[in-house]
Parts: sequence; structure tokens; C-alpha cells
Amino acid sequence: TQLLEQSPQFLSIQEGENLTVYCNSSSVFSSLQWYRQEPGEGPVLLVTVVTGGEVKKLKRLTFQFGDARKDSSLHITAAQPGDTGLYLCAGATAAGNKLTFGGGTRVLVKP
Amino acid sequence: NAGVTQTPKFQVLKTGQSMTLQCAQDMNHEYMSWYRQDPGMGLRLIHYSVGAGITDQGEVPNGYNVSRSTTEDFPLRLLSAAPSQTSVYFCASSYSLGWGETQYFGPGTRLLVL
Repeated sequence: TQLLEQSPQFLSIQEGENLTVYCNSSSVFSSLQWYRQEPGEGPVLLVTVVTGGEVKKLKRLTFQFGDARKDSSLHITAAQPGDTGLYLCAGATAAGNKLTFGGGTRVLVKP
Repeated sequence: NAGVTQTPKFQVLKTGQSMTLQCAQDMNHEYMSWYRQDPGMGLRLIHYSVGAGITDQGEVPNGYNVSRSTTEDFPLRLLSAAPSQTSVYFCASSYSLGWGETQYFGPGTRLLVL
């Protein structure tokens, strides 16, 4: 069983502060995805990273895939209340038919 | 396109009752899957299908059955509901699962088993 561990489980910050969410595993993934989920809705894909060491930026969000493709991080710069939500990482193996999700990080950005 | 649709949105069952959660997609996706989401546990894969007529078990398949007779539909059946199956259920679809294909999720079905 491949496990993806996310930390922290919960993060509460003030508007304008920066935050980082981590996603770690002992297994190697062919790709890793980050999703954001709002209450009462399904997760929505933010980004997919596939190359070890890859860094992708989406406005104020920066995603990094570890060199060994076992871990990833999501960094939000100058967080806004609209960034509030549950952030989920998910990894797929090269063998490929299953997507494994982390436990999620709940982010609250207070105005 | 409607994307991924799920019905019902909310359901209350008594222990031992059976029901079917419906999922449909209109994107001609081959890959479909069912997850359950419990507090602090992210999403856990129940069953998945790589195409019509093909299904396989995920991480937590016990107590659930699936079938895939068409590309569009992937119903999830609870044979005899138990309180431990109280959860939010999400259906997802994608063109495939290779190399980070985007998974499209439905809005979820909230199930309460008394």
C-alpha cells in the first residue's frame, strides 16, 4: 500500500501571509497532482507534476516535485481568503490504474 | 457538457438497507472511479473501471459492488448498508489514468446510515 502523508493537517493564517503544505511518501510516483476542494463540492485539479525536480507556478501558488519523485510541496504567497479550502495531493504510479490521495490539509485564510 | 453528475445528493438509510448511487459522465471518458471521503482521511478508492465491462477493486471495496455496462454510467451499489458506510461519496472520470490525466469529480453524495 502506498501512503501519501500531508502536513500539516490544518493551517490557519492571516491574509497576506505565506504558507507551505507538504506531501510525502516512501514510494515513487510517476506523477503527482494537487487538488483543491471547497465545502459541498468535489475536488478540482490545480496542477500535475511529472518530472523530478519540476517546479510549476500558478499565479501565487508554487508547486514542486521532489527530485526522487516521492514528495511534493505547495507554497502559497500572500494568501487571500479565497485560498481557503481543503488541499489534497494525489499520486499515480507508472503501473497506473490507481490514484492514491493524501489525507488533506485544511487551510483557513482569515481577512 | 454536464461533466460528472451524481444522484442523489443526500440519502439517509437504515442499517441493512440497500441502495445504488448513480454516476454518469458525458465526456466519453474511459476511466471512472468511486471514492469515499471521511474526515481527516482524504479520498479512498473503492472501485474503478478502465472501460465498459471492466472493473476492479480499490483500497476499500468491501460492502460495495460496481458494474460498467456503458462508457457513460458507473453505479455504486451498497448491498446491506452499515453505519461505517456513512460518508461522502465521489465519482470521478478521466480519459485515462496515465501520466497525470485530469480527474473530473462529481459534486458528491452524502450518505448517512442509521
